[in-house]
Amino acid sequence: KNEVEQSPQNLTAQEGEFITINCSYSVGISALHWLQQHPGGGIVSLFMLSSGKKKHGRLIATINIQEKHSSLHITASHPRDSAVYICAALNDMRFGAGTRLTVKP
Amino acid sequence: DSGVTQTPKHLITATGQRVTLRCSPRSGDLSVYWYQQSLDQGLQFLIQYYNGEERAKGNILERFSAQQFPDLHSELNLSSLELGDSALYFCASSVEGDSYNEQFFGPGTRLTVL
Repeated sequence: KNEVEQSPQNLTAQEGEFITINCSYSVGISALHWLQQHPGGGIVSLFMLSSGKKKHGRLIATINIQEKHSSLHITASHPRDSAVYICAALNDMRFGAGTRLTVKP
Repeated sequence: DSGVTQTPKHLITATGQRVTLRCSPRSGDLSVYWYQQSLDQGLQFLIQYYNGEERAKGNILERFSAQQFPDLHSELNLSSLELGDSALYFCASSVEGDSYNEQFFGPGTRLTVL
């Protein structure tokens, strides 16, 4: 069993929809990263969280340390948001399997 | 653009060969991390260097080695290549090497072993 679990594995949405991707971890971590990987393969670090909530444009990430759970929300989704989103406790070397998001126009 | 550069972008080679992947961290970053992403395994941490010294080791095979040079660039050496080594190899850098530093990823090197 992976110590970092993401859901859903795949997600298809219509443009404009509100999207939530969930990440649960079973061990203590120091910080959680949300990464975005586009079809070309490049990885972009979206957020690093150790507590609370962070917002960047249409993206919001939250983390609940007690419940060992984090969520990534995308408001007003757009086809350019189509990518694989990976939650990772990078500094603890643990990775989720990724959520493949497809946003249709 | 994260400021982390990796060369080459693509590499095609044969089984049994040896290759070197290069990474230059963002200006001012002291720590470099290497990751492997294969189709069936997802992202895996290989090794971390901080200011020239090995800081942490993950699932790195004995056939693989890395180093970080005084100018802070890093090289990942892969030898006796096997078909299963075909993957995307990413490096990332951070300011320090501890748990609370954000990591910035390079564009990756796509290695194909034929």
